[in-house]
Amino acid sequence: GENVEQHPSTLSVQEGDSAVIKCTYSDSASNYFPWYKQELGKGPQLIIDIRSNVGEKKDQRIAVTLNKTAKHFSLHITETQPEDSAVYFCAASPPLYGNNRLAFGKGNQVVVIP
Amino acid sequence: DSGVTQTPKHLITATGQRVTLRCSPRSGDLSVYWYQQSLDQGLQFLIQYYNGEERAKGNILERFSAQQFPDLHSELNLSSLELGDSALYFCASSVDDRANEQFFGPGTRLTVL
Repeated sequence: GENVEQHPSTLSVQEGDSAVIKCTYSDSASNYFPWYKQELGKGPQLIIDIRSNVGEKKDQRIAVTLNKTAKHFSLHITETQPEDSAVYFCAASPPLYGNNRLAFGKGNQVVVIP
Repeated sequence: DSGVTQTPKHLITATGQRVTLRCSPRSGDLSVYWYQQSLDQGLQFLIQYYNGEERAKGNILERFSAQQFPDLHSELNLSSLELGDSALYFCASSVDDRANEQFFGPGTRLTVL
């Protein structure tokens, strides 16, 4: 099955700086790659996603890039703010009809230092 | 707020017991997913239902079962509980069985003593 890995496990950034989290996946057939943000005591929140036919997607301060050849995708957060502090999970989904299971990475703790 | 609701928020029980976790998907969503989140295993897919039918199974133990009812709410039943079953259990929903976007509920924290 799909295996997703995230690096680094913990990332500390100064407020206003950029943060980048990278994920690698194993199944070249995977075609959907979401990013979730999880705050303490809450469920994962979908913040951005990308499909395999697109190389980059941006939504205000966050962006995701996908390199299918290298099988990795990255989350970019610009102008970080304290409220960006959370655990971020990447995931991948194989193109199986009627089966949209997500394979998640282990998560990255992002700490934004005011 | 994702629109997915889960009850109860916390559950404390003893080994050997059986519990039921409940999930109501977002209005209009037909597909429901269950995930288990633990510190050592991360977020693991358990099972998916679409419009009342089981669609896919992941790392779900035989002691666990689930169903989706005609009103589309879903229940996850955990029996013969062990200490290692202590975890956060999340429900997610999507529009149908082809839509990739999954929206998660707030979770149920299960503690087995």
